Amino acid sequence: AQSVTQLGSHVSVSEGALVLLRCNYSSSVPPYLFWYVQYPNQGLQLLLKYTTGATLVKGINGFEAEFKKSETSFHLTKPSAHMSDAAEYFCAVSGGGANSKLTFGKGITLSVRP
Amino acid sequence: KAGVTQTPRYLIKTRGQQVTLSCSPISGHRSVSWYQQTPGQGLQFLFEYFSETQRNKGNFPGRFSGRQFSNSRSEMNVSTLELGDSALYLCASSLTRQGAGEKLFFGSGTQLSVL
Repeated sequence: AQSVTQLGSHVSVSEGALVLLRCNYSSSVPPYLFWYVQYPNQGLQLLLKYTTGATLVKGINGFEAEFKKSETSFHLTKPSAHMSDAAEYFCAVSGGGANSKLTFGKGITLSVRP
Repeated sequence: KAGVTQTPRYLIKTRGQQVTLSCSPISGHRSVSWYQQTPGQGLQFLFEYFSETQRNKGNFPGRFSGRQFSNSRSEMNVSTLELGDSALYLCASSLTRQGAGEKLFFGSGTQLSVL
């Protein structure tokens, strides 16, 4: 079985501040890990994906995430928040294998203060 | 390339009715997955279709069903609607199965309200 835990439901940062959104996963096999973003009244779009190889993954819009197997974590960061980053962020895990499904965390709403 | 298209965008039904939602995937994508999104539960996996066959199913009652056509378009049906079925239903398409670590492309969803 696989699962994702995103601690907290809301994070608020000032414009220009560091963004850190936490994600811990549980998977019995080496996972595929994802971060998706959902802007108001839209579907989700992929920010970045980890498969194998380099543990630091760079995504779109200046976001990156680091895979730490020992901590079963895949935290999302961005050095400097922009007002346009305000959205809901979802971490997701897939265990691989033909019948594996993508399991999402409950999501974190990011607010950016001017 | 056109994105994932879901119709209708909004739907209002009453308890006991049934509803059909439609999803047109990105051209060339063979996998279509459905998710239910609610404020309390987040994104819950409903099912995945690939090559017209249901390949994976989440923990939802039998009132929730779906199908996929030969052109990869998909429909989901909910019968005997309950108040708790009010949610945003999201469709996502991908080139191949979710389990292959594929990127999912999501539609904007159908917002279903059950009164």
